[in-house]
Amino acid sequence: GAGVSQSPSNKVTEKGKDVELRCDPISGHTALYWYRQSLGQGLEFLIYFQGNSAPDKSGLPSDRFSAERTGGSVSTLTIQRTQQEDSAVYLCASSALAGVADTQYFGPGTRLTVL
Amino acid sequence: TQLLEQSPQFLSIQEGENLTVYCNSSSVFSSLQWYRQEPGEGPVLLVTVVTGGEVKKLKRLTFQFGDARKDSSLHITAAQPGDTGLYLCAGSNAGGTSYGKLTFGQGTILTVHP
Repeated sequence: GAGVSQSPSNKVTEKGKDVELRCDPISGHTALYWYRQSLGQGLEFLIYFQGNSAPDKSGLPSDRFSAERTGGSVSTLTIQRTQQEDSAVYLCASSALAGVADTQYFGPGTRLTVL
Repeated sequence: TQLLEQSPQFLSIQEGENLTVYCNSSSVFSSLQWYRQEPGEGPVLLVTVVTGGEVKKLKRLTFQFGDARKDSSLHITAAQPGDTGLYLCAGSNAGGTSYGKLTFGQGTILTVHP
């Protein structure tokens, strides 16, 4: 596709359940980022993948959050034992490189609601 | 931890008015980006500024990066209803393992009334 795609677009789950969110970056983009946007908040960095380097996980809020990127392309963000405070829009972005002036292209996000 | 303070949080104006959104930090950034986000969509990049004192214009939008690269502003001239949306500033730094990672401000929700 032409842009970053994310699935599902909406996810409603019960507290305590695990969820998986998927991101398909733009083909050929080496850098991939996950951000979280809560109501009334700006975007919060979660994790960053660059090529074959070890990911920067410094933004993950707890050990219930994990992410992987397979084959340098698709990425999955997993939240285990979801809590109500996990409710947010989860955004994925990719860029051709990871330079400070490289454009990050964002997907439409997955809106997660934890009941 | 680097923080970006964005103000105002909300802005409601009439069509034709001018406005300025500010983004301030105590930290230096290698680059500063401005995004616009529509409901149900991801942010879309408007501009990137990388040089202290840099000014960029995009039609009725003027972006400025502070001389010390700690602050930035977005000025819209003669706002139109189509400018309505969420505006976000984001800073990035070179070096280390977080090269390219963006630190976002809280955002400004702009509403332009016809």
